[in-house]
Amino acid sequence: GESVGLHLPTLSVQEGDNSIINCAYSNSASDYFIWYKQESGKGPQFIIDIRSNMDKRQGQRVTVLLNKTVKHLSLQIAATQPGDSAVYFCAVLSGGSYIPTFGRGTSLIVHP
Amino acid sequence: SQTIHQWPATLVQPVGSPLSLECTVEGTSNPNLYWYRQAAGRGLQLLFYSVGIGQISSEVPQNLSASRPQDRQFILSSKKLLLSDSGFYLCAWSVSLGADTQYFGPGTRLTVL
Repeated sequence: GESVGLHLPTLSVQEGDNSIINCAYSNSASDYFIWYKQESGKGPQFIIDIRSNMDKRQGQRVTVLLNKTVKHLSLQIAATQPGDSAVYFCAVLSGGSYIPTFGRGTSLIVHP
Repeated sequence: SQTIHQWPATLVQPVGSPLSLECTVEGTSNPNLYWYRQAAGRGLQLLFYSVGIGQISSEVPQNLSASRPQDRQFILSSKKLLLSDSGFYLCAWSVSLGADTQYFGPGTRLTVL
């Protein structure tokens, strides 16, 4: 089965810095990846997704990078703002499976 | 646009009491629906999913059950709550079952005392 790990449970940055949050997955057949943002006491909010036929995808202030060779996924947030403070976690779907595997999350703390 | 609702937002229940959490989705038809539990400091644990009315698949055997009486309504129930049932319960929906984004509701914080 799939396992999804995280490199850092907590990331502290200064306002205006760029943030990078990482995920590692185990199944080379994984083909769909999603990043969620979860604020305290709220449900996860979809941020951005990427499929395995892409290496990079950009949204508003966010970029997701996929390295299939080392089975690594990252979320980059440009010019981090206090409102970005939340737990970020990735979800990975493997070919043939219809239930995603979720990482435990990285808590992003933005200092003003 | 699609929206997903859950209620209640918070709930405090004694051990042994029944439970009913409701989830409804608006703005879409035939959604796939999911119930997750999120314990503090842990990832999301899938409890049930449903591909249609009356169709429920259980991922984790426990004293919880789910029902889907209408296309866009998903209910999580228990006849007798345990202390270990405390947690944050999330409902989610997706268009298709598979490589597709799941969109989450606001969640219900359940505390069993």
